[in-house]
Amino acid sequence: GDSVTQMEGPVTLSEEAFLTINCTYTATGYPSLFWYVQYPGEGLQLLLKATKADDKGSNKGFEATYRKETTSFHLEKGSVQVSDSAVYFCALRYNNNDMRFGAGTRLTVKP
Amino acid sequence: NAGVTQTPKFRVLKTGQSMTLLCAQDMNHEYMYWYRQDPGMGLRLIHYSVGEGTTAKGEVPDGYNVSRLKKQNFLLGLESAAPSQTSVYFCASSLGGRNEKLFFGSGTQLSVL
Repeated sequence: GDSVTQMEGPVTLSEEAFLTINCTYTATGYPSLFWYVQYPGEGLQLLLKATKADDKGSNKGFEATYRKETTSFHLEKGSVQVSDSAVYFCALRYNNNDMRFGAGTRLTVKP
Repeated sequence: NAGVTQTPKFRVLKTGQSMTLLCAQDMNHEYMYWYRQDPGMGLRLIHYSVGEGTTAKGEVPDGYNVSRLKKQNFLLGLESAAPSQTSVYFCASSLGGRNEKLFFGSGTQLSVL
């Protein structure tokens, strides 16, 4: 079935460092891909999405490109801030009924 | 602008007790979902609904029941709680279509002793 695999965390970076969180997917068709972020004590909220191959989603300095040839949707940010500390989830949605999530990657950014 | 509201936020049960989690959304969404979040496993779908009066099983439905009597509400029930059901539960809702995002509630932390 459809699934998402994320790099395991936790990830600890210094402020202004470059961030990459890897995400690959397995799907029978052409899903839409999403990155969600979860801050402590809160529910998940959408960070960015891409709905077809070669689309780039971007928001708040984060970006990810839908790569059909490598079935990947890696999250990147050029310069992280302490406020980016959170858990990041990669997800895919193939139909109306379900959104499949990866295991999540915890990011800690130190001053 | 409430969005998705879950009650209660925290609950402690003894093994064998029952309880109901309530989810309410004010966005007129057709689709509603219940997920559980466990360390290292991400979010797993328990049950979902594609409209008032409909429910369907997700990835991990055993031990749970749901009802969607009103479009805005989606109830998750545990008839006989087990320690394996200790988890954080999230409700979500969305519009139809694979490009649409899910809107999440803030979660319910449930401990079963």
